[in-house]
Parts: sequence; structure tokens; C-alpha cells
Amino acid sequence: TQLLEQSPQFLSIQEGENLTVYCNSSSVFSSLQWYRQEPGEGPVLLVTVVTGGEVKKLKRLTFQFGDARKDSSLHITAAQPGDTGLYLCAGFKGYNQFYFGTGTSLTVIP
Amino acid sequence: GAVVSQHPSRVICKSGTSVKIECRSLDFQATTMFWYRQFPKKSLMLMATSNEGSKATYEQGVEKDKFLINHASLTLSTLTVTSAHPEDSSFYICSARARASLSLGNTIYFGEGSWLTVV
Repeated sequence: TQLLEQSPQFLSIQEGENLTVYCNSSSVFSSLQWYRQEPGEGPVLLVTVVTGGEVKKLKRLTFQFGDARKDSSLHITAAQPGDTGLYLCAGFKGYNQFYFGTGTSLTVIP
Repeated sequence: GAVVSQHPSRVICKSGTSVKIECRSLDFQATTMFWYRQFPKKSLMLMATSNEGSKATYEQGVEKDKFLINHASLTLSTLTVTSAHPEDSSFYICSARARASLSLGNTIYFGEGSWLTVV
């Protein structure tokens, strides 16, 4: 069982549609991060959420941290082909173990 | 900004040989380095966490004798895959956590990854 479970695992949508990716855990996190990764490259940090209930917006991307700091979501409005990639949530368990979620592979079809 | 360099980016080795992957923090001191393994379209699986000057902490199911991790300095960690087999073929990524500072905070920085193919 993974510490951070993401859903859906795969998502294929048409350009212009909206989508939400979820990241859930039974553990409390002091913060969670969202990354986007292209094949063959390292993940790129999109955002860090720290406060329970926090909402952060990054252009068409909206990130939310659950009130109990056990879950987070990523909402993309009007998806574009350039949004295609692997989206990963991640967080520290304790001080020294940084875990990634199970990942969501997004394909946006032009 | 902070940069983590991983080398080689691609390596092909024969079954039974060992291969070393280096992870360097170029302009900051990394108190902790993390090694991950990733399969196509899958997430990053934490293999081990290493602190400078101490033994790495391996995740459950990761063979310590097969995946040797050395964190000899605050800017270099190495992963050596010993007696490699085709099933070890994968994408390996390192990351480094900077010593907390005003400019770098407590951020994780990722290397570019290394493709290992064992034939």
C-alpha cells in the first residue's frame, strides 16, 4: 500500500475540458507538493501547500490542501495539450523520507 | 537556482557487471539525498535516503547489497547497481535537499535522471 494514493491513474481528455486529480493518504502531512514530469526527465515542482484548507492558483491550475492535511487535489481548467504529462503529489513522512504519490498520467487530445 | 546534476544520463551495461550513477549538487550543500526508481508511466519509488557521512536508509524491499549508496560529501552521492540484471533496467532519479537557508529554504531539487539498460 502506497502512502499517497492518486486517482485517477490515467486520464485522457479533450482539449478545453476540465479535470481534477486527487491525492489521498491516511497520514497527516505537514505539507504536500505537486509535480509534473515529462518522460525521461526529472519532476518539476508546481506548488507546495502547507496550511490545511489552503488553496493556491497557478494560472489554470488550482491546488487545494485538505483541512486535515491528509489529502490534496489539483484542478485544471480548460486543459491544453501542453498540460499532458505525469502529475505527482509528494510529501515528507517524518523528516527524512520523501514519498511520491502513485501518479496520474494525463493526456490532453487536441 | 540550485542544480542537481546526474551522470550518466544513459548507460548500457552487460548483465553481471556493475554500474555507478553519480548525483551532484552543483551550487549548494545537500544534507540529504534521495534515490528513486521509476518504471514507464509509473510514479517514483523511493529506494533509499542518504545523509552525508552516514549509512543510507533503505526502503523495505530494496536490496542493500545490490543497490549500494554512498554519500561521501555534501555535494555527491552515488548509486552503484551491482551484478546488474535485465530486470534492473529502469529510470533512476536522485534528488537533494538543501541545507536550510534563506535563499533555498528546505526545497528538494531533482536530477535529470539516468536510464539504465542491462543487456
